[in-house]
Amino acid sequence: DAKTTQPNSMESNEEEPVHLPCNHSTISGTDYIHWYRQLPSQGPEYVIHGLTSNVNNRMASLAIAEDRKSSTLILHRATLRDAAVYYCIFQTGANNLFFGTGTRLTVIP
Amino acid sequence: KAGVTQTPRYLIKTRGQQVTLSCSPISGHRSVSWYQQTPGQGLQFLFEYFSETQRNKGNFPGRFSGRQFSNSRSEMNVSTLELGDSALYLCASSLEAGSRRNTIYFGEGSWLTVV
Repeated sequence: DAKTTQPNSMESNEEEPVHLPCNHSTISGTDYIHWYRQLPSQGPEYVIHGLTSNVNNRMASLAIAEDRKSSTLILHRATLRDAAVYYCIFQTGANNLFFGTGTRLTVIP
Repeated sequence: KAGVTQTPRYLIKTRGQQVTLSCSPISGHRSVSWYQQTPGQGLQFLFEYFSETQRNKGNFPGRFSGRQFSNSRSEMNVSTLELGDSALYLCASSLEAGSRRNTIYFGEGSWLTVV
């Protein structure tokens, strides 16, 4: 299995940045790192993905370590709507994603 | 552009019955995959279809089956339902299969309760 390791839970104050870490030591050189999040009672939502260099989009930034064995999802200003379970996954080319347990992010008003 | 659409959203079935869930992928997407989500096991891959062919299959019994039609729409079927099949069933679609850059888009899911 294409396994990743994430902390079970994290907390952040509203309007502050959040750094969600992920370890993926078994990733191969061509696997992309994908992040999804799942809000209560909804399907997972795509957040961002990258291969080697750091990536930004309107939702978040993704910082990938030089050896690619870890990455960090950065939410620049957490809002209450960002409270969700965040999953770090690496895409091996088959669409059978292995989700793991993810990180439950709590945003404190 | 419409997202992944799953029907029905909620259903209740009795043990021993069978159920069929439907999924319409995002327009233009040819790969459809299915996942089961339970509190105990989390999100688990069921199977993936591309061009009407099953490409990958997860570790589920043969009671779980699926198919894909020529318009990329997909159905999954669970026969002889057990209480443990109660779960959120998620359908996901992507443009193609076999690409590491593939972004996969999920539907809202179908909540199945087996009583």
